[in-house]
Amino acid sequence: GAVVSQHPSWVICKSGTSVKIECRSLDFQATTMFWYRQFPKQSLMLMATSNEGSKATYEQGVEKDKFLINHASLTLSTLTVTSAHPEDSSFYICSAREPGANEKLFFGSGTQLSVL
Amino acid sequence: AQSVTQLGSHVSVSEGALVLLRCNYSSSVPPYLFWYVQYPNQGLQLLLKYTTGATLVKGINGFEAEFKKSETSFHLTKPSAHMSDAAEYFCAVSAGNGNQFYFGTGTSLTVIP
Repeated sequence: GAVVSQHPSWVICKSGTSVKIECRSLDFQATTMFWYRQFPKQSLMLMATSNEGSKATYEQGVEKDKFLINHASLTLSTLTVTSAHPEDSSFYICSAREPGANEKLFFGSGTQLSVL
Repeated sequence: AQSVTQLGSHVSVSEGALVLLRCNYSSSVPPYLFWYVQYPNQGLQLLLKYTTGATLVKGINGFEAEFKKSETSFHLTKPSAHMSDAAEYFCAVSAGNGNQFYFGTGTSLTVIP
């Protein structure tokens, strides 16, 4: 089956630095990828929808300048947390939609970000 | 390592009929198990989760799931389907610390009037 690879799985950074998270679809071309964030003991929250070759669509309340999304190719979307602060510490997960009749959704295994 | 298998990518039931969505998992450690629902054009919503304790877990919208360790299963059920239940359902497992979720490929539920 289709595989979505997400890296890194765990990252610790200092406050004020930027962190990039990669989401790759390994055996299919994903025109659409999604980025989610999960706070402890809460549901996954959709942050943005990433479309290849165009600007991402952000959900209400998500800071576009804080969470930069780039979907430069059909197999790669990146989420950059800019000038990270401790409140950005969270679990981030991406998913990619496989094109075709079924349009199944496949998930990465997530990235735990800890900002010191 | 953890993994999830959802049997049946598409399930159709009549309105008022029993809903049964299957999920089997593998985990090298005691698992945390989740069911999420995604309605069209929306993000994932947590239906229910099992961490420890009672193996029968009740969630929102009348759904429940039972953790069966011997069968490595966490099937989702609802006694009577409503039209509003039509959505895509995802089963997920994590190692217990809330990190490294592994999702199934999803089951699309259609409810027939």
